[in-house]
Amino acid sequence: QVQLQQSGPGLVKPSQTLSLTCVISGDSVSSNTFAWNWIRQSPSRGLEWLGRTYYRSKWYNEYAVSVRSRIIISPDTSRNQFSLHLNSVTPEDKAVYYCGRGQHNAIDVWGQGTTVTVSS
Amino acid sequence: EVVLTQSPGTLSLSPGERATLSCRASQSVFNNLLAWYQQKPGQAPRLLIHDASIRTTGIPDRFSGSGSGTDFTLTISRLEPEDFAVYYCQQYETSPMFTFGQGTKLEIK
Repeated sequence: QVQLQQSGPGLVKPSQTLSLTCVISGDSVSSNTFAWNWIRQSPSRGLEWLGRTYYRSKWYNEYAVSVRSRIIISPDTSRNQFSLHLNSVTPEDKAVYYCGRGQHNAIDVWGQGTTVTVSS
Repeated sequence: EVVLTQSPGTLSLSPGERATLSCRASQSVFNNLLAWYQQKPGQAPRLLIHDASIRTTGIPDRFSGSGSGTDFTLTISRLEPEDFAVYYCQQYETSPMFTFGQGTKLEIK
């Protein structure tokens, strides 16, 4: 049974970098079948897909246009996890952040969610 | 960018009744790559249906998805108490990848 366990701070200062990690159990970040995603949810923006990383003989990263200039999603094969780094955060980035496994062009396994507040 | 509009915003029904939720796309959904999720308070969304009509493993058969092109429907044939939640549709396209509808809240009448 695949499980995703998220970790990271719930409070980030404006202009700083939001960093979250998603540890995978029961599957591999290097899988040739799945993709590893970050999604966020807020009352103002609803559910918003941020980006993904996946391995198909080499690593690929794809990002939503809305955050493309300030996001990095990176795999860590030694720890079987992947991370989200979102820089230059503003109060608009306040949301619940989820990691998720992508299959069938949908997200079939979700992390537990991390509530992130942006405040000084 | 494909925009998904869900209706109604809120649906009030009783257990045992049939629920019909709609998801309309602003343009045709690529290969009918449309998914449905259920979300309960304080929980992550749960995938119910992918590719418009394929139930995920473990999802009861009272949930069914249909539609193609721009119009899609999630039907719950006989509502159980645990089905009252918020439902989202989601589509895939090559850019910006995944977009979600704004949700339909299914509440107990």
